[in-house]
Amino acid sequence: GDSVTQTEGLVTLTEGLPVKLNCTYQTAYSDVAFFWYVQHLNEAPKLLLRSSTDNKRTEHQGFHATLHKSSSSFHLQKSSVQLSDSALYFCALRQGTGSKLSFGKGAKLTVSP
Amino acid sequence: DPKIIQKPKYLVAVTGSEKILICEQYLGHNAMYWYRQSAKKPLEFMFSYSYQKLMDNQTASSRFQPQSSKKNHLDLQITALKPDDSATYFCASSQPGQGLYEQYFGPGTRLTVL
Repeated sequence: GDSVTQTEGLVTLTEGLPVKLNCTYQTAYSDVAFFWYVQHLNEAPKLLLRSSTDNKRTEHQGFHATLHKSSSSFHLQKSSVQLSDSALYFCALRQGTGSKLSFGKGAKLTVSP
Repeated sequence: DPKIIQKPKYLVAVTGSEKILICEQYLGHNAMYWYRQSAKKPLEFMFSYSYQKLMDNQTASSRFQPQSSKKNHLDLQITALKPDDSATYFCASSQPGQGLYEQYFGPGTRLTVL
């Protein structure tokens, strides 16, 4: 079946530093879409980024990600983190026109002053 | 105004009891979902409905029953509650054929089973 792997469980950074959260996947389907969701404490997951186009960079709120089908990856990056970026970040995969989202385990980002 | 409403926000139940989690969305979407989040499994897909029909069920237990009384409602009935059912349950919705079928989540119902 499909699977999404996020390798960083906990990431602690000082404000102003760059961050990269890894996301790799396995799927038997060619028609797929990828998402990054951000979840602040006691809140709902909110859509951050989305993509289904190979090698095309997508950006939102200072974060960016590029889908690379050759390496089965959709890593999330930001050049300079802020205190407000402290949250859980989930990578998710949707296959074809099916509706199920398969989520990675999430990465908890903590940004300190 | 919130676009996806989930009621209640917090719910405490005793083992063996039955509860219904309410979800209403006002995004005009025709697909709705339930996900569960716990310390053991971060975000786990449970059910999907499209145009009020069950499309996918990834929940092994029949104790979990979705109910769609209206196009923009998808409630979740849980019977014979167990402590392991303690989790936050999120409802989500999307519009088939629109964009990348992005799903938008409600605020969740935090269920604690004693």
